[in-house]
Amino acid sequence: AQTVTQSQPEMSVQEAETVTLSCTYDTSESDYYLFWYKQPPSRQMILVIRQEAYKQQNATENRFSVNFQKAAKSFSLKISDSQLGDAAMYFCAYRSAWSGTASKLTFGTGTRLQVTL
Amino acid sequence: GAVVSQHPSRVICKSGTSVKIECRSLDFQATTMFWYRQFPKKSLMLMATSNEGSKATYEQGVEKDKFLINHASLTLSTLTVTSAHPEDSSFYICSAREGGGAIGELFFGEGSRLTVL
Repeated sequence: AQTVTQSQPEMSVQEAETVTLSCTYDTSESDYYLFWYKQPPSRQMILVIRQEAYKQQNATENRFSVNFQKAAKSFSLKISDSQLGDAAMYFCAYRSAWSGTASKLTFGTGTRLQVTL
Repeated sequence: GAVVSQHPSRVICKSGTSVKIECRSLDFQATTMFWYRQFPKKSLMLMATSNEGSKATYEQGVEKDKFLINHASLTLSTLTVTSAHPEDSSFYICSAREGGGAIGELFFGEGSRLTVL
């Protein structure tokens, strides 16, 4: 079974600064997808960024980028130019590429990001 | 992006009663939907995979007779918490997959907070 670990329960960043959220995972599969989801106070999960394991290039979405280290099974999220609206709970998630497991997501325990003025 | 709607967003019920939560995909057809449970300040735990026209697949440790899942159409899945107890109080989130295969993107509902008195 796959596991996802987020070792930082809480992080804080000043507005306009950069913060990196850590995520490690354990799997025996070679093909999979990794995600970062944001859960604001409204509680609706929002996809921030995704990475296909077969791609060596790190995914980027505007101010959000990842550092994907497949050999180390590490998948960190970097938020640049942090904004107040970035304050939320961030979850790292794993999904197998094998269709037999449908689209089951395995989530980490989350990191609560606080953005200060 | 696609929209997934849950109803009700909040529900309070007495012990021993049953509560139904609906999950609808508003602008796409979802052959597969997922039900998660989230405890306060905790991660999302997959409860079951709901497949249109067939029985749900429950995760280990989830009581199928207590958490009844019905996926009667391509746009609607329901979760019924039967004979609710205070320990069933939680935040329940559904997600639906748009597109087929293992790579179809998942969209999440707004969640439903259940409080059992």
